[in-house]
Amino acid sequence: GAGVSQSPSNKVTEKGKDVELRCDPISGHTALYWYRQSLGQGLEFLIYFQGNSAPDKSGLPSDRFSAERTGGSVSTLTIQRTQQEDSAVYLCASSLEDVNYGYTFGSGTRLTVV
Amino acid sequence: KQEVTQIPAALSVPEGENLVLNCSFTDSAIYNLQWFRQDPGKGLTSLLLIQSSQREQTSGRLNASLDKSSGRSTLYIAASQPGDSATYLCAAHLSGTYKYIFGTGTRLKVLA
Repeated sequence: GAGVSQSPSNKVTEKGKDVELRCDPISGHTALYWYRQSLGQGLEFLIYFQGNSAPDKSGLPSDRFSAERTGGSVSTLTIQRTQQEDSAVYLCASSLEDVNYGYTFGSGTRLTVV
Repeated sequence: KQEVTQIPAALSVPEGENLVLNCSFTDSAIYNLQWFRQDPGKGLTSLLLIQSSQREQTSGRLNASLDKSSGRSTLYIAASQPGDSATYLCAAHLSGTYKYIFGTGTRLKVLA
């Protein structure tokens, strides 16, 4: 596609439920990144994909968080048993090959856990 | 550990002023530095990408400079307009890693 597409744009969920966030990167971009932006905080790196593999998962905050990427394209970030502290904007970015080409971000998914 | 700091945290200027936003990073071993703009409730829009071998990049009224040796980058906005009001973020790509480290941003308000 022309840009990085994320869905849903907003998600309200009850504490304890699982949620899935989707990212569709720019066509041909092999690198994909997930970041989290909490209220009043900077952007926090979560995970990096190159193709379908994830060389760097170091930013995932707990084992409740997981992500996958299939076909070298769409990625899904899953949060199990959501907690209120998971409330944040989840941003996805893609890059042509690696970060040397800079990032293009999606509009994000605003997750609210009530 | 790479840390990225942006000063000031907030800035309010009258329309038409030229202004400078500052970004400093602690580890000079970077591949590149990217400036972004974020509007309220929106994602990030890339403004300028400066590779480590470059000193500056220009796009329209925006000019970004990079001084690796001193760990600094500046974003210069000429003839500011109310539409420039947003949060500006800088991000440094540390050599040997896959990710950017982001500053906490400068919140700019340009008054009409």
